[in-house]
Amino acid sequence: AQSVTQLGSHVSVSEGALVLLRCNYSSSVPPYLFWYVQYPNQGLQLLLKYTSAATLVKGINGFEAEFKKSETSFHLTKPSAHMSDAAEYFCAVNPNTGFQKLVFGTGTRLLVSP
Amino acid sequence: EPEVTQTPSHQVTQMGQEVILRCVPISNHLYFYWYRQILGQKVEFLVSFYNNEISEKSEIFDDQFSVERPDGSNFTLKIRSTKLEDSAMYFCASAGGSREADTQYFGPGTRLTVL
Repeated sequence: AQSVTQLGSHVSVSEGALVLLRCNYSSSVPPYLFWYVQYPNQGLQLLLKYTSAATLVKGINGFEAEFKKSETSFHLTKPSAHMSDAAEYFCAVNPNTGFQKLVFGTGTRLLVSP
Repeated sequence: EPEVTQTPSHQVTQMGQEVILRCVPISNHLYFYWYRQILGQKVEFLVSFYNNEISEKSEIFDDQFSVERPDGSNFTLKIRSTKLEDSAMYFCASAGGSREADTQYFGPGTRLTVL
């Protein structure tokens, strides 16, 4: 069965600092991996995805993530945090096709201070 | 840009009442999903729907729940007799069109409050 672990329910950074949100997955087959962002009182917006092409994936709003099979990780990074990045971030996995259910992590709330 | 829409945005109901949550998926998508998120918890899969039938459902999706695609555009989730523990945000998602066919796109959610 697939699962996702997000380390740190809250991450605090200063504006302009590096953002690193951690995601480790467990999957018996090569997975598809996704990061979604949820702004307050809004739905889930796709940030980026890995679907077995390039291991370094670039998404919207300056975010990127690197798939590391040896570490079973898919950490999300952004070089310089902006106040508007404050939100909840969810990592999700599905087995190896896009049409099966997504299994989500517990989410990481990113707090950005001036 | 096409989006998944959901109505209502907020539904308040009494325990034991039936509710229907409505979703309009992206028009050329073929796969449809419902997820829920209890306050403060992670997003959980409920059910997936393809070719007019359920393709997978979770343990949460018991006999009190049903889904339907009554016409070519709507996708509904019915809870027959709501319980307090059904209070959650319910998200609809769709996938499988020409636009990033392997990606699920989510609606803004319906917040269900059961009193």
